[in-house]
Amino acid sequence: DADVTQTPRNRITKTGKRIMLECSQTKGHDRMYWYRQDPGLGLRLIYYSFDVKDINKGEISDGYSVSRQAQAKFSLSLESAIPNQTALYFCATSRGTPNTGELFFGEGSRLTVL
Amino acid sequence: AQSVTQPDIHITVSEGASLELRCNYSYGATPYLFWYVQSPGQGLQLLLKYFSGDTLVQGIKGFEAEFKRSQSSFNLRKPSVHWSDAAEYFCAALSSASKIIFGSGTRLSIRP
Repeated sequence: DADVTQTPRNRITKTGKRIMLECSQTKGHDRMYWYRQDPGLGLRLIYYSFDVKDINKGEISDGYSVSRQAQAKFSLSLESAIPNQTALYFCATSRGTPNTGELFFGEGSRLTVL
Repeated sequence: AQSVTQPDIHITVSEGASLELRCNYSYGATPYLFWYVQSPGQGLQLLLKYFSGDTLVQGIKGFEAEFKRSQSSFNLRKPSVHWSDAAEYFCAALSSASKIIFGSGTRLSIRP
């Protein structure tokens, strides 16, 4: 089984719908992240969490929210999806201490908003 | 602002030829630097990392990278590429706020 699991892997939805992407990890890492990948733009950080009670906005948090339900679970929500949120979304984890910065990624969730 | 720049969007090399992918960073202090690879349909995998010490670092799959402070660069190299190296490559850095910042990526194609 994968260490970082994302569900769903693919989702097609309509404008205005609420969408939740879920991430769970078995690595025992404190830190979890949500990134968005768009062609030519690399990966951009949406939200990150350094522990269960710590949630931080990344560079592109508008239109998104997150929930850290447990150390192992970090969900990303789009309250009212719009077409420009069509992208590939990645969850990642990293160790807290020591903070080597190395990220461990899930396989991605491809979201299409029509 | 702290940033990572990959100036090449797409590179094509012949199988067996050498490869160099460019990465420049903009940071005040020496950052932690990384190269990740993304194969089609997959998540990202760490190739190598630089924290301190020897400026030439070895990674998996025969890749290496050299940190050059004077040029603010961390270029990725491989002496002889294989068809399986076709992928997208991302340079990244750990920022002062403990976040990983990625470059825009370089797509590598291999010519048979």
